[in-house]
Amino acid sequence: DIQMTQSPSSLSASVGDRVTITCRANQTISDSLNWYQHKPGVAPHLLIYSATTLQSGVPSRFSGSGSGTEFTLTISSLQVEDFVTYYCQHSLTFGQGTRLEIK
Amino acid sequence: QVQLQESGPGLVKPSQTLSLTCTVSGGSIISGSYYWSWIRQPAGKGLEWIGRIYYTGSTSYNPSLKSRVTVSVDTSKNQFSLKLNSVTAADTAVYYCARTTVLYSNYIDYWGQGTLVTVSS
Repeated sequence: DIQMTQSPSSLSASVGDRVTITCRANQTISDSLNWYQHKPGVAPHLLIYSATTLQSGVPSRFSGSGSGTEFTLTISSLQVEDFVTYYCQHSLTFGQGTRLEIK
Repeated sequence: QVQLQESGPGLVKPSQTLSLTCTVSGGSIISGSYYWSWIRQPAGKGLEWIGRIYYTGSTSYNPSLKSRVTVSVDTSKNQFSLKLNSVTAADTAVYYCARTTVLYSNYIDYWGQGTLVTVSS
């Protein structure tokens, strides 16, 4: 089975900072990796699909990179509304989640 | 605009069967482009994929839940359903239904609002 390891589990940052979240697969998955944002009380929201493609309507401060086994989600300039939880996903597996906290 | 809506009991007794239905509107469940999925999130924990179904009835399940899960589809009603048997308190969670692409990277583009199911006597 393919396992996904997401890090860090939590991250403290300030408004305006640039942050990176990493997701690693235990075997190559090409570009089959998606990223979601999850705000409390609502369903998760797709940010990036196929590792690098920005979903329509998602702000350009979000970007994805990587292929094979290592992937990253970068938020170039944090806004207040970005301090929530993020998940990577491959096939039927989610990463453990990264909670972004205001420093 | 595609919409998904979960329905079913919010309280289930231990050892019984959890049953939920997802009604799809604004699009047909008979589409070769999508799987139809169930995902859950226990309080304070991460997202967990339960299983998915294609309109033909072909299914894939999370190995950790496979022995207790059945996902089915009713194309005449544009619905798909989840049954999870022998539930325990560990199955208490918000349950989401979702639409998942077949092509590209199997991403989820539409979600239901989620429904809380509590397992308690």
